[in-house]
Amino acid sequence: EAQVTQNPRYLITVTGKKLTVTCSQNMNHEYMSWYRQDPGLGLRQIYYSMNVEVTDKGDVPEGYKVSRKEKRNFPLILESPSPNQTSLYFCASRPGLAGLNEQFFGPGTRLTVL
Amino acid sequence: AQTVTQSQPEMSVQEAETVTLSCTYDTSESDYYLFWYKQPPSRQMILVIRQEAYKQQNATENRFSVNFQKAAKSFSLKISDSQLGDAAMYFCAYRGAGNMLTFGGGTRLMVKP
Repeated sequence: EAQVTQNPRYLITVTGKKLTVTCSQNMNHEYMSWYRQDPGLGLRQIYYSMNVEVTDKGDVPEGYKVSRKEKRNFPLILESPSPNQTSLYFCASRPGLAGLNEQFFGPGTRLTVL
Repeated sequence: AQTVTQSQPEMSVQEAETVTLSCTYDTSESDYYLFWYKQPPSRQMILVIRQEAYKQQNATENRFSVNFQKAAKSFSLKISDSQLGDAAMYFCAYRGAGNMLTFGGGTRLMVKP
């Protein structure tokens, strides 16, 4: 089944404890991205990657890191999480850059930073 | 930077009736793409409908249709014959030349039986 998977789905952690949220897609998509969803603000892009070893900042990159060493994986790293990073996170992928291409979303990761 | 505004935080509709969700956007680009996504309680993001800006004809997908007004920068979603399963958050989104998908704040749709 074609899908985007994220792990973990739920995470409660404490301020300053490094964490990684994994993202993997099995559709051979070039483009992958991370979003955070907050009430009233919709989804905002954190980072995106147009291909292996090519990443760039989105609208809200502060406090996050990403890497794209393989085409299928795009982990999100929080080196020193803070309470303002408590949010719902989505990974997404799509095939290439054609504007109308559908973007496929993972199931989301609910992160709470205490 | 492009912005997308959904002015209705919440809407409700009677089952079998029609409801329209509003979306406006701000851009200086002439070529772009617009989307509506549905997010049910499961949190999964589901693409409902999409529109290319250079196409004047409004997109339609079964009970879902859009009213695209390019000059007014408006992209509303009409849901006909509303069903209980339509209850969800709906997000309008814009993609321009920069390839980034910009979302509105969302509209929560409630469907009354």
